[in-house]
Amino acid sequence: GEDVEQSLFLSVREGDSSVINCTYTDSSSTYLYWYKQEPGAGLQLLTYIFSNMDMKQDQRLTVLLNKKDKHLSLRIADTQTGDSAIYFCAETGAYNFNKFYFGSGTKLNVKP
Amino acid sequence: DGGITQSPKYLFRKEGQNVTLSCEQNLNHDAMYWYRQDPGQGLRLIYYSQIVNDFQKGDIAEGYSVSREKKESFPLTVTSAQKNPTAFYLCASSPPLQDSLVRNEQFFGPGTRLTVL
Repeated sequence: GEDVEQSLFLSVREGDSSVINCTYTDSSSTYLYWYKQEPGAGLQLLTYIFSNMDMKQDQRLTVLLNKKDKHLSLRIADTQTGDSAIYFCAETGAYNFNKFYFGSGTKLNVKP
Repeated sequence: DGGITQSPKYLFRKEGQNVTLSCEQNLNHDAMYWYRQDPGQGLRLIYYSQIVNDFQKGDIAEGYSVSREKKESFPLTVTSAQKNPTAFYLCASSPPLQDSLVRNEQFFGPGTRLTVL
């Protein structure tokens, strides 16, 4: 199946920018997603990008997609302590839009 | 107030027992999913159902069973055949594709943490 990889941890200081990276293998993915999981809770969709886009900005969030390198990143500007969570990258299968493939998640720790 | 509910939040089971995790949604979504989450491994798909009375195995279906008798409900049974069942289980649902602004956004429940004693 498709393989989605992320680094496990990221630590930043409050007010700095955070950049969370993700690589994927399925070059025919149509949508790529970023989900956020707070401790002991389910996942919430943060943002997404369509595969024919290079960048998408949504308030403090910027998603960059490098389709040639199959690399997706999420930049959080002015990171706050409330941003501390696990962030998951995900893609839908090329031929079955009902199947999601999630990365292992990146745990973001924001220090005051 | 629409959403997905999972119960219970914490569940303890003795080794060798079957246990059923509940997942209910009132979002009128057709598709429902079960994932297992282990530390450092992300989410792995156990089973999914695109429509009532139909379901498909995901990547780690062995030792699990599901049913989809009603649109609103997709219970997961963890059987004694599952060798390492201690994990956090997440249920999700997604709307019909024509209704979603984001192609197949998944909406997640709060999860059930299962511990085998």
